[in-house]
Amino acid sequence: DSGVTQTPKHLITATGQRVTLRCSPRSGDLSVYWYQQSLDQGLQFLIQYYNGEERAKGNILERFSAQQFPDLHSELNLSSLELGDSALYFCASSVSQGSGTGELFFGEGSRLTVL
Amino acid sequence: GENVEQHPSTLSVQEGDSAVIKCTYSDSASNYFPWYKQELGKGPQLIIDIRSNVGEKKDQRIAVTLNKTAKHFSLHITETQPEDSAVYFCAASSGGYQKVTFGTGTKLQVIP
Repeated sequence: DSGVTQTPKHLITATGQRVTLRCSPRSGDLSVYWYQQSLDQGLQFLIQYYNGEERAKGNILERFSAQQFPDLHSELNLSSLELGDSALYFCASSVSQGSGTGELFFGEGSRLTVL
Repeated sequence: GENVEQHPSTLSVQEGDSAVIKCTYSDSASNYFPWYKQELGKGPQLIIDIRSNVGEKKDQRIAVTLNKTAKHFSLHITETQPEDSAVYFCAASSGGYQKVTFGTGTKLQVIP
């Protein structure tokens, strides 16, 4: 158990809809990262927050947004969903501000299926 | 930005044999190279990492080697066991606030 909690584990929705994925980082970790894992595409970095502030942005679509709340949990909002958004979405946390300085602790992921 | 290529995409070995997964990276500024293992239904978990000031690092049955000149690094698993079956990801970063870039993963199957 990594200590990172993600909900929901599975989500099935229709095209055009909006969903929210939630992540609670490990106790004491200030950084939260969101990754998208599609078939054959590895782990694509979406966005990072550190102590409530956006720190880095990856290949995140404009239809997607995220935020980190004062209690350090984070939410990833996906809107106007398309079939291609179907993927496993991972949240990870770390103690440090940068993922390049040490271990990332991943949650078990939220599997999104868009029909 | 950084680009990490990983090979092979799938690998089957007999129990007890060795497995080798290779990665190349593009950014010469990269100096941190972690390897993650993802078991079925779980999130990736760090198994070993190496920084650019060393060429090799070992931890029991796993080892990682780094060739900075050639910009490639490899994961070696010896005496493989069925519980080694998983997807393995290599990654690279230039450290600090820079994001970690992952390879596309290698699905390792250890046949009993």
